[in-house]
Amino acid sequence: DADVTQTPRNRITKTGKRIMLECSQTKGHDRMYWYRQDPGLGLRLIYYSFDVKDINKGEISDGYSVSRQAQAKFSLSLESAIPNQTALYFCATRDGTPQAGELFFGEGSRLTVL
Amino acid sequence: QKEVEQDPGPLSVPEGAIVSLNCTYSNSAFQYFMWYRQYSRKGPELLMYTYSSGNKEDGRFTAQVDKSSKYISLFIRDSQPSDSATYLCAMRPRMDSSYKLIFGSGTRLLVRP
Repeated sequence: DADVTQTPRNRITKTGKRIMLECSQTKGHDRMYWYRQDPGLGLRLIYYSFDVKDINKGEISDGYSVSRQAQAKFSLSLESAIPNQTALYFCATRDGTPQAGELFFGEGSRLTVL
Repeated sequence: QKEVEQDPGPLSVPEGAIVSLNCTYSNSAFQYFMWYRQYSRKGPELLMYTYSSGNKEDGRFTAQVDKSSKYISLFIRDSQPSDSATYLCAMRPRMDSSYKLIFGSGTRLLVRP
């Protein structure tokens, strides 16, 4: 089983619908991240969390919300999806070592908003 | 202007070639530099990680950082078809308690058999 699991892997929805993308991890890491990936724009940070009670906005948080239900679970919600939220979404984790740079990514959730 | 610039490619090379992938950046505070490899339909995975300037070698891969020019490179020797992927550079400042990484947009590499 993957260390960082994302569900669903693919989702097609309509404008205005509420969507939740879920992420769970078995690495025991405190820090969890949500990124979106768009062609030509790379990975951009949406939200990140250092623990259950510590959630922070990233560079493109508008239109998104998150919930850290447990150390191992971090969900991303689109309250009212719009077409420009069509993208590939990645959840990632890392440990709390200050110098550690490695993010461990899930396999991605491809979201299409019609 | 983006903080990190990376040529999107695609870069197509024959098997066995030496590949050079590059990123430029504008923030002089960046101290940690990483290269991630992303296969199609997969998440990125860390390939190389360096701190500050200099070179780091790992098998066929060499990461190079030139802070004076704000330029980082990844060299792949004896490239293989299995190296075909998108390569993302990433970096962050040393004094950043959030440890957020800034990513380049990625360079797609194709190694032809």
